[in-house]
Amino acid sequence: EVQLTQSGAEVKKPGESLKISCKGTGYSFSSYWIAWIRQMPGKGLEWMGIIHPGDSDTRYSPSFQGQVTISADKSISTAYLQWSSLKASDSAMYYCARHIGGVGIGYGEYWGQGAQVTVSS
Amino acid sequence: SYVLTQPPSVSVAPGKTATITCGGNNIGSKSVNWYQQKPGQAPVLVIYYDTDRPSGIPERFSGSNSGNTATLTISRVEGGDEADYYCQVWDRSSGHLVFGGGTKLTVL
Repeated sequence: EVQLTQSGAEVKKPGESLKISCKGTGYSFSSYWIAWIRQMPGKGLEWMGIIHPGDSDTRYSPSFQGQVTISADKSISTAYLQWSSLKASDSAMYYCARHIGGVGIGYGEYWGQGAQVTVSS
Repeated sequence: SYVLTQPPSVSVAPGKTATITCGGNNIGSKSVNWYQQKPGQAPVLVIYYDTDRPSGIPERFSGSNSGNTATLTISRVEGGDEADYYCQVWDRSSGHLVFGGGTKLTVL
């Protein structure tokens, strides 16, 4: 059974760093793109970027380029989303999703349960 | 950048048909995917590549795409269909994925 298991809720202060994770099980992790999606409170879905764990090919939405870093460690079947200096506006739910079809054509077939990030002084 | 426009809300009585639209410039030339998100839950894929249903999604869910509008149709609507629905495409010119703003389906 394909599963994406995300790390737990985080409460951080502005300026702190953070790395959240998404572990894929039940399939060949290196073979499928993993996307990250933000959902701010009461708002819609926003695509942040996508990575291919096999070769670490990564694409970012212009809105998130330079604001976050997406990475993956295929040896432990885990993708990451990290911030070097959090802002209050980073408070949101973050989802990872396994993509079928890849960049330009794919869709999110399986989703993680989400990770709530709260940034507050 | 490519923009997808959805109505903020759609209301329908149980047993009737709900139609949720997703507008975009020449969207008929793109593949459209649809997600359902219930409160407090992760999104779930309900339609991919315009018209295909993942396993486990009822036949009541169908999709179409032509011209400047893609449509998600839910027949014989049930209370359990109440959720937010999002359309999604890839903007191949930029290589970026785009979501519509979402439509809240209310079952009266």
